[in-house]
Amino acid sequence: QQPVQSPQAVILREGEDAVINCSSSKALYSVHWYRQKHGEAPVFLMILLKGGEQKGHEKISASFNEKKQQSSLYLTASQLSYSGTYFCGTEKNNQGGKLIFGQGTELSVKP
Amino acid sequence: NAGVTQTPKFQVLKTGQSMTLQCAQDMNHEYMSWYRQDPGMGLRLIHYSVGAGITDQGEVPNGYNVSRSTTEDFPLRLLSAAPSQTSVYFCASSYSPRLFMNTEAFFGQGTRLTVV
Repeated sequence: QQPVQSPQAVILREGEDAVINCSSSKALYSVHWYRQKHGEAPVFLMILLKGGEQKGHEKISASFNEKKQQSSLYLTASQLSYSGTYFCGTEKNNQGGKLIFGQGTELSVKP
Repeated sequence: NAGVTQTPKFQVLKTGQSMTLQCAQDMNHEYMSWYRQDPGMGLRLIHYSVGAGITDQGEVPNGYNVSRSTTEDFPLRLLSAAPSQTSVYFCASSYSPRLFMNTEAFFGQGTRLTVV
């Protein structure tokens, strides 16, 4: 039931791009993306709803393929501040409030 | 607004002891949830609530109880603590503009629990 994220970890140089993937075996209503810095609480980045509605944040964007139940998070021109663990959270139809997270992707951006 | 407030921030329990982790939000959010975070496991949903008086189980509910008597509070009770419950616990809340629709979740700062 837990969505699967890939890769598990990625190391970037400043300015490089990255893609984090999230896939589910269940029909989804929405996909959330969060970033967590070490020792801190997760912070919301964006939500993608079934039907194509999308919200963005800084130079970070995402897509949601409803047919494949997959979402991808795109980080462009990465900055040091992008370092952290990224989680996708998924909700199934008619189960609003039950947000299930993937295992996370650890992103390290080096100077 | 204080947002989501969790207490305590740190706690050490002995095996078999019981305790309650407190969570309160002042944003009038309908949805509230409890997660535990363990290395390599991500955030796993323990219990959640879609409104006062309504709770349901998540992925890992065994050993935990919840209740939601008010919109603001969502306490998590450990009935008989076990070393396997050593973890960081996060409470989260979110606004639901209409039935079954969720928006961004706001997380508390976490409670680091150690069971010895």
